[in-house]
Amino acid sequence: DIQMTQSPSSLSASVGDRVTITCRASQGISNYLAWYQQKPGKVPKLLIYTASTLQSGVPSRFSGSGSGTDFTLTISSLQPEDVATYYCQKYNSAPWTFGQGTKVEIK
Amino acid sequence: EVQLVESGGDLVQPGGSLRLSCVASGFTFSGYAMSWVRQAPGKGLEWVSGISHSGINTYYADSVKGRFTISRDNSKDTLYLQMNSLRAEDTAVYYCAKDHTGLYYFDYWGQGTLVTVSS
Repeated sequence: DIQMTQSPSSLSASVGDRVTITCRASQGISNYLAWYQQKPGKVPKLLIYTASTLQSGVPSRFSGSGSGTDFTLTISSLQPEDVATYYCQKYNSAPWTFGQGTKVEIK
Repeated sequence: EVQLVESGGDLVQPGGSLRLSCVASGFTFSGYAMSWVRQAPGKGLEWVSGISHSGINTYYADSVKGRFTISRDNSKDTLYLQMNSLRAEDTAVYYCAKDHTGLYYFDYWGQGTLVTVSS
């Protein structure tokens, strides 16, 4: 099975900073990658699919890129409401594996 | 408005069984694949099982294969997860999740139901 590895596991940044989270697949998955945001105590929320398509209603400061094995989620200007854990998920084929998550905090 | 409401979570002894349900509303249930995703306390998300819109195709994580069975009743807009031979490591919040475009990523999630496996 394809493994999904996120880095870093956690990060702390200041409001307004540019934040980048990386997700690496152990084998190529084309652009079959989604990103989710899970705020503390809340349900996961879809942010991005097909690696770079922003889900309706998601702020434009979020963006995604990548193809094959290497992907990134970027928050262009970190806001206090972005404190959350972010997960990538592959969906090229079953099993539809999630990464282990990246916890984002405000410095 | 899309709503997914899970039920059936409970405290169960190791080796026991439980059936989870997820009632859907606000969309044409029969037109979408569905999945169960779980989250152990303080841990990350783990996809558990998925089912095609018709129910013909089912998929399982290796960790639950042979123990869990996913099914759906499109006449009742309801998704099920039958869980047998439960283990302590199955303890988690179980979320019902709706597929977005037939590609098994998820645009709507229920609030979850807690399954605790303990003696």
